[in-house]
Amino acid sequence: QSVLTQPPSVSAAPGQKVTISCSGSSSNIGNNYVSWYQHLPGTAPKLLISDNDKRPSGIPDRFSGSKSGTSATLGITGLQTGDEADYYCGTWDSSLSAVLFGGGTKLTVL
Amino acid sequence: EVQLVESGGVVVQPGGSLRLSCAASGFTFEDRTMHWVRQAPGRGLEWVSLITWDGDRIDYADSVKGRFTISRDNSKNSLYLQMNSLRTEDTALYYCAVAISGWYYFDYWGPGTLVTVSS
Repeated sequence: QSVLTQPPSVSAAPGQKVTISCSGSSSNIGNNYVSWYQHLPGTAPKLLISDNDKRPSGIPDRFSGSKSGTSATLGITGLQTGDEADYYCGTWDSSLSAVLFGGGTKLTVL
Repeated sequence: EVQLVESGGVVVQPGGSLRLSCAASGFTFEDRTMHWVRQAPGRGLEWVSLITWDGDRIDYADSVKGRFTISRDNSKNSLYLQMNSLRTEDTALYYCAVAISGWYYFDYWGPGTLVTVSS
């Protein structure tokens, strides 16, 4: 069981919006930046969001990130079938001296 | 263009050892923190280890501490993971990743190399 908690799955129709939550504690999300990754089957994961809400070059503005207290959220608008993937949050845990990933959330675009 | 290519993954018996390598290009390797991340079959991503640009800071996940050793050779633009006392639960696709946006981020990843621990 992961220290960072994500819902196992979310789903929405094409064109709609979805949010994925990531819950942690003061030793991780509460005091460190959060990142988000997209992992399509058979490919290497891709960095979507860094520093809670910053999109690297080339990432569409349909993807957004936010953080409040010990939780973070990834938002995806204008859903496309190509967005079907596993999504992971990540952060540093100051008590464990370790990078943590959430358990991952499978997005289905119906 | 950033490129990371892992190698060294094979089938090994429990208790055995293995050394993974990661060849890096397209960025200034000697300036960047590097990571190993793995994904076991049917499971999520699991961070394994990190090493800062100068090797001054090294951290490991509890699951591999005392068995795995991360190292780097900046003259060869290469990252390594020495894996000892391997267990069946170490079976996974192992990725190397470079941290550019921040030292505990994974900006670019390699395609991974498969390690199978089985008798």
